[in-house]
Amino acid sequence: EPEVTQTPSHQVTQMGQEVILRCVPISNHLYFYWYRQILGQKVEFLVSFYNNEISEKSEIFDDQFSVERPDGSNFTLKIRSTKLEDSAMYFCASSSLRGGEAFFGQGTRLTVV
Amino acid sequence: DAKTTQPPSMDCAEGRAANLPCNHSTISGNEYVYWYRQIHSQGPQYIIHGLKNNETNEMASLIITEDRKSSTLILPHATLRDTAVYYCIVRGRMDSSYKLIFGSGTRLLVRP
Repeated sequence: EPEVTQTPSHQVTQMGQEVILRCVPISNHLYFYWYRQILGQKVEFLVSFYNNEISEKSEIFDDQFSVERPDGSNFTLKIRSTKLEDSAMYFCASSSLRGGEAFFGQGTRLTVV
Repeated sequence: DAKTTQPPSMDCAEGRAANLPCNHSTISGNEYVYWYRQIHSQGPQYIIHGLKNNETNEMASLIITEDRKSSTLILPHATLRDTAVYYCIVRGRMDSSYKLIFGSGTRLLVRP
């Protein structure tokens, strides 16, 4: 069964450092998303991406965040200068249709120290 | 904000049916009801969705009331692996907003 793959599963970084979280969406999907979940809190939408551009972003997704689809298979989330409050699980998701059912990866646990 | 209301927690015995309710009294005519679940801190897993007819797949059944103001997700024979947080989400199928808005969900505990 096709699945969304995320790497690494766990990333520890020092405050102020840049991190790149990587995702390989399901191959025939066209819509890509990042969500995050701070420990004990709700899953929050960050950004959606279609046709090589951002479709929508939340208030959380400020100038420190960026997304990219550098090739036909990868979808990345970059945090330029990490803060302690960026510590969370980050989930990538993809869907074949706009508004269609989204399939999530297993997440990257980001710990900022 | 989430447009749905779910009980914070439920439990059921292994092998029995788990019936998870969801209220969505402000649902509009073109909005679908989606169900996802999250096991531990894993990524949310799509379960099922529906508009107005009842739906069934290999994982679950979705019963939507005639007025569409509430629905019930049914896991017919719950197993210990079904212990998870279940999210009921309302969204238009071709919504201009692509995002899923997760509420607090229902924490289902399946007892041995």
